[in-house]
Amino acid sequence: EVQLVESGGGLVQPGGSLRLSCAATGFTFSSYRMHWVRQGPGEGLVWVSRINSDGSSINYADSVKGRFTISRDNAKNTLYLLMNSLRVEDTAVYYCARERMGPTDAFDIWGQGTMVTVSS
Amino acid sequence: DIQMTQSPSSLSASVGDRVTITCQASQGINNYLNWYQQKPDKAPKLLIYDTSNLETGVPSRFSGSGSGTDFTFTISSLQPEDIATYYCQQYDSLPYTFGQGTKLEIK
Repeated sequence: EVQLVESGGGLVQPGGSLRLSCAATGFTFSSYRMHWVRQGPGEGLVWVSRINSDGSSINYADSVKGRFTISRDNAKNTLYLLMNSLRVEDTAVYYCARERMGPTDAFDIWGQGTMVTVSS
Repeated sequence: DIQMTQSPSSLSASVGDRVTITCQASQGINNYLNWYQQKPDKAPKLLIYDTSNLETGVPSRFSGSGSGTDFTFTISSLQPEDIATYYCQQYDSLPYTFGQGTKLEIK
């Protein structure tokens, strides 16, 4: 079964750090571009970051640039998001998502999400 | 950033109704437009990609159309399991942006 499973969320104080993980199973992880998308409580979806299949091309939303780092380990079939200097406004459910194969940048597989709460 | 404006923000309809949601981009997006369904406390699910292509396994009552800056998502006959929030998303340019969502309820 094609699946993404996030972990690593939790409660952290402002200014703190967390590392999220996204374990991929059921498909050739190393062939796909991957993304992180977040959703604040009661809010809509916000794209955070993407990384291409071999990790050589990375992009971030301006709101997280310089604070978050996306990476991947294709040998472990795992995507990561290292979040530093966390702010209250980073509180959200964080989803990892696979980009559909082909010329379209659609997110065809999503994880269940992991909650990050930034609060003192 | 490209702004995506969905309307309505919420919608109440009866089972069997035809439901239409619109999404307007702040600039042309070359039909690089996807639609997602999100049920409460669940991850989003891809329904339509590239404006009008139905994702594998998605019922044919869902469809999409449009061009330029104006796009439409339609459910031809609303079913009880379609209760969800629907989002459009552009990928013409980074950062990818989503509409604010349309919450669909059964009347």
